[in-house]
Amino acid sequence: AQSVTQLDSHVSVSEGTPVLLRCNYSSSYSPSLFWYVQHPNKGLQLLLKYTSAATLVKGINGFEAEFKKSETSFHLTKPSAHMSDAAEYFCGGLTGGGNKLTFGTGTQLKVEL
Amino acid sequence: EAGVVQSPRYKIIEKKQPVAFWCNPISGHNTLYWYRQNLGQGPELLIRYENEEAVDDSQLPKDRFSAERLKGVDSTLKIQPAELGDSAVYLCASSSHRRSSYEQYFGPGTRLTVT
Repeated sequence: AQSVTQLDSHVSVSEGTPVLLRCNYSSSYSPSLFWYVQHPNKGLQLLLKYTSAATLVKGINGFEAEFKKSETSFHLTKPSAHMSDAAEYFCGGLTGGGNKLTFGTGTQLKVEL
Repeated sequence: EAGVVQSPRYKIIEKKQPVAFWCNPISGHNTLYWYRQNLGQGPELLIRYENEEAVDDSQLPKDRFSAERLKGVDSTLKIQPAELGDSAVYLCASSSHRRSSYEQYFGPGTRLTVT
């Protein structure tokens, strides 16, 4: 079965500096992996997804993630943080034959002036 | 296109009372999901529907939780009776096989507080 682990519960960056949110996965087969963002009192919004095509995946709002099989990682990055990026971010992976989405525990991103 | 609609957005009830949540998925989406998100945690799947059929309800506490999706469109999730530990955000999501079963679109959720 697939599971994902988010390594940091909170990350704080200054506006304009790079963002790195870490996610590791465990899977016995080629995974499908996702990053979602959740702003306060809003539903989850898909940022990007990896489905065994290109290992570097570009998403919305300038975010991207790189699938590294050797490190079993799928870290989310952004070159320059904006105040509007402050939110909770969830890494997710598909299991159950491709229909069950399992989420990590989330990383709260804080962006400071 | 309109997103996933959920109501109510907030609900406060006393323990042992019943409560129901409603979800209207994106038009044309045949797959509907109910998740529970506890504070500080990621969402956890409760039940998944393919059209009218519940194809995965293994995580649904069937002694007090029930769900239905009549006519394969909107859905209702019920808790009876509610317990203190049921306080959480209940999220509904939908997806379409015509685009990708991987992309799930989430509603804003219903925040339930049981006192």
